[in-house]
Amino acid sequence: QLVLTQSPSASASLGASVKLTCTLSSGHSSYAIAWHQRQPEKGPRYLMKVNSDGSHSKGDGIPDRFSGSSSGAERYLTISSLQSEDEADYYCQTWGTGIQVFGGGTKLSVL
Amino acid sequence: EVQLLESGGGLVQPGGSLTLSCAASGFTFSSYAMNWVRQAPGKGLEWVSAISGSGSSTYYPDSVKGRFTISRDNSKNTLYLQMNSLRAEDTAVYYCAKGTAAGLASFDYWGQGTLVTVSS
Repeated sequence: QLVLTQSPSASASLGASVKLTCTLSSGHSSYAIAWHQRQPEKGPRYLMKVNSDGSHSKGDGIPDRFSGSSSGAERYLTISSLQSEDEADYYCQTWGTGIQVFGGGTKLSVL
Repeated sequence: EVQLLESGGGLVQPGGSLTLSCAASGFTFSSYAMNWVRQAPGKGLEWVSAISGSGSSTYYPDSVKGRFTISRDNSKNTLYLQMNSLRAEDTAVYYCAKGTAAGLASFDYWGQGTLVTVSS
């Protein structure tokens, strides 16, 4: 079964960096995923797609502070030089035969 | 500029029906799969349905299969979600999302959402 697992919460200080993790279920380590940001009172925004080889392609207007990487079944979103507007929920998403799957989301607090 | 504008949300009684629309612009609508995703109060994102670019293939999770129907009119650049037998647990903000390919893939644009409230 295709499942994405995320930690419920993360925190980091203003100006610091944070690395969020999304883990693919067993047998699905070759899958690409996408990261989406959900800021308070706003619709979701696509950040990037991250492939199993660590390559990533970002959405329109996404700052260079956002980057993606991979290791095994884990896909990462790294945000550097954290700003207050980065405080949001972050979701990973993947797709399989006839299904789309979201992770449970990580709530990022910027201290 | 890609734009997705949902409409049709509102208050409906349990067991009732509602149809959502999503007007798309800024891209070749028929070339991309489209999706509906919802977020219930205090919950995460949940995929609700998808349709291929041509409209020939549709996909649903078990939670809505048999109750919801996704469709599209490529001549009007519009996506629809017909929701029947609505339940309290269907209460959520519903978003349409553009796929990155004609079949299932990642999403690269989202609408602002429309609120559906199922309550007596």
